[in-house]
Amino acid sequence: QQQVKQSPQSLIVQKGGIPIINCAYENTAFDYFPWYQQFPGKGPALLIAIRPDVSEKKEGRFTISFNKSAKQFSLHIMDSQPGDSATYFCAASPGGGDTGRRALTFGSGTRLQVQP
Amino acid sequence: EADIYQTPRYLVIGTGKKITLECSQTMGHDKMYWYQQDPGMELHLIHYSYGVNSTEKGDLSSESTVSRIRTEHFPLTLESARPSHTSQYLCASSGRLAGEETQYFGPGTRLLVL
Repeated sequence: QQQVKQSPQSLIVQKGGIPIINCAYENTAFDYFPWYQQFPGKGPALLIAIRPDVSEKKEGRFTISFNKSAKQFSLHIMDSQPGDSATYFCAASPGGGDTGRRALTFGSGTRLQVQP
Repeated sequence: EADIYQTPRYLVIGTGKKITLECSQTMGHDKMYWYQQDPGMELHLIHYSYGVNSTEKGDLSSESTVSRIRTEHFPLTLESARPSHTSQYLCASSGRLAGEETQYFGPGTRLLVL
């Protein structure tokens, strides 16, 4: 059972475009939603994260929009650059305080290509 | 920049061999994780640890085993490698960053079993 569904699988945009990657989750216990960026041959690196108490979070060119009632969240990349070409993963983890597992459940990934 | 290291980065080995993938972190994190990832695909949790002498199996069944004798070290062992074990293995640890618990990933070990 895939608990975090991510789409699209791949995405090609022109430089300056605004790619949007969407994720939907099922587990209502999830309360932390990070996005990771992974370049070939590297481990994933945290890009930006959000909690359900806000509907939007922006860090530089990256914005997360969160819709708690729909159990959906999305990543927008403003003014995309060729250097943003990578695989992006959404993820989610449940609460549980310091004894909670806090392991992430990942989406299936979106391969983004930004053309010059 | 996360201080989490994995060795080897690449390993080609024959069927039946015993292998150990090393993972170490210098951040003093109690929680550590192993994920399995096929190229470009989603990550699947195979093991995690809350601290020394604490290990649990993850969501994806794996024939590998782990140990946590020291806080900074979380090795993964395959007693008898098979071609089905061919994959990338990612180690992670988690700690507080700006009030949020954040997972940091190592660069991964790409394993090929012939």
